[in-house]
Amino acid sequence: KAGVTQTPRYLIKTRGQQVTLSCSPISGHRSVSWYQQTPGQGLQFLFEYFSETQRNKGNFPGRFSGRQFSNSRSEMNVSTLELGDSALYLCASSPGQGAAVTGELFFGEGSRLTVL
Amino acid sequence: AQSVSQHNHHVILSEAASLELGCNYSYGGTVNLFWYVQYPGQHLQLLLKYFSGDPLVKGIKGFEAEFIKSKFSFNLRKPSVQWSDTAEYFCAVSAGRRALTFGSGTRLQVQP
Repeated sequence: KAGVTQTPRYLIKTRGQQVTLSCSPISGHRSVSWYQQTPGQGLQFLFEYFSETQRNKGNFPGRFSGRQFSNSRSEMNVSTLELGDSALYLCASSPGQGAAVTGELFFGEGSRLTVL
Repeated sequence: AQSVSQHNHHVILSEAASLELGCNYSYGGTVNLFWYVQYPGQHLQLLLKYFSGDPLVKGIKGFEAEFIKSKFSFNLRKPSVQWSDTAEYFCAVSAGRRALTFGSGTRLQVQP
């Protein structure tokens, strides 16, 4: 069974640009979560989607947005990039009703974004 | 809002030493608790979880964690670490149907 796939794996952008990251969950998983990982900060929750609906949202500015498609694939977008947005962006999928119910997140390898 | 604190940021142990990593959470109600591990070059994976029942939870690779409600703690333990346990360990909590909140992580380095 294929794992969570994230694209692109690495990307470099400049301040002010925007970026779109993609995530394909494990087949059959309908819940997708996004996290930002930075050294010393751990994982900061961005959003969680279930069946195309945003179920939870973290404390990030409106420049961070996401969506989920009918095939459960998800994208997140960051507009007007800032230097502080440099991070590893992790996507995770969960079976059933999501990790809070089932207890497990299956993570992808992440998309490493560098903002210059 | 729920939050998680991991007090040890970097731990260095010799092989066969015992391990205990601290995790404290803040939330007044019922919580679900997790430990995730990230081995070098690999993605995060679940080590163990607590939902209810026996507060002593056993996970993969000989790890266990004890939920102490009165102390709001969920410390991770292993009696004898191996070099292959070198990794970063994350404690996480969820309450209700909220998303998992992770701690800042503890980097464990096991020296042969």
